[in-house]
Amino acid sequence: KNEVEQSPQNLTAQEGEFITINCSYSVGISALHWLQQHPGGGIVSLFMLSSGKKKHGRLIATINIQEKHSSLHITASHPRDSAVYICAVSYHRNTGNQFYFGTGTSLTVIP
Amino acid sequence: EAQVTQNPRYLITVTGKKLTVTCSQNMNHEYMSWYRQDPGLGLRQIYYSMNVEVTDKGDVPEGYKVSRKEKRNFPLILESPSPNQTSLYFCASSWRGRGNTEAFFGQGTRLTVV
Repeated sequence: KNEVEQSPQNLTAQEGEFITINCSYSVGISALHWLQQHPGGGIVSLFMLSSGKKKHGRLIATINIQEKHSSLHITASHPRDSAVYICAVSYHRNTGNQFYFGTGTSLTVIP
Repeated sequence: EAQVTQNPRYLITVTGKKLTVTCSQNMNHEYMSWYRQDPGLGLRQIYYSMNVEVTDKGDVPEGYKVSRKEKRNFPLILESPSPNQTSLYFCASSWRGRGNTEAFFGQGTRLTVV
């Protein structure tokens, strides 16, 4: 079983600040995922990474496979970025994809 | 519109009364999964499936059953619900690309067992 640790648990930022959320895991993985859960409860997949770096708009995700560590960065944060961000790791099995999740980082961006 | 649809969205039931939460996707995805989300514990995988008639246990399968008779549907069955199964449940699906691919989540089902 993989242990997935996220930090910080809670984060408050002023609008415009650069934000970093960290994720570390204990066992080698097939892929790492960053998810966003809105206050209403819906979950959206932001990134899936197996190596390197991905960028989508103001969001950037990086992964270091050797260090077993990933970061999610938000540039020029905005109040609409307020949500819970969840790191997950997955393993490709013969029967499907097995997932383990961090407990999430609750982000509040203040105008 | 590409989506994963769960029903019902909210359900209150009594201990021991069998129930089924349905999940359907319209994207022709091979992979489907069920998760539960609890305060302080986060999301945990219950069951997952690679395709029709191929399912496997996730992290917390006790007290749950699933079936995958059609590619688009992946119902979650609680044969004898208990109060510790009170939780927020999510279904998700993804395409069987090279390795892992992005997951699409349903809206969630909030289940209360009294």
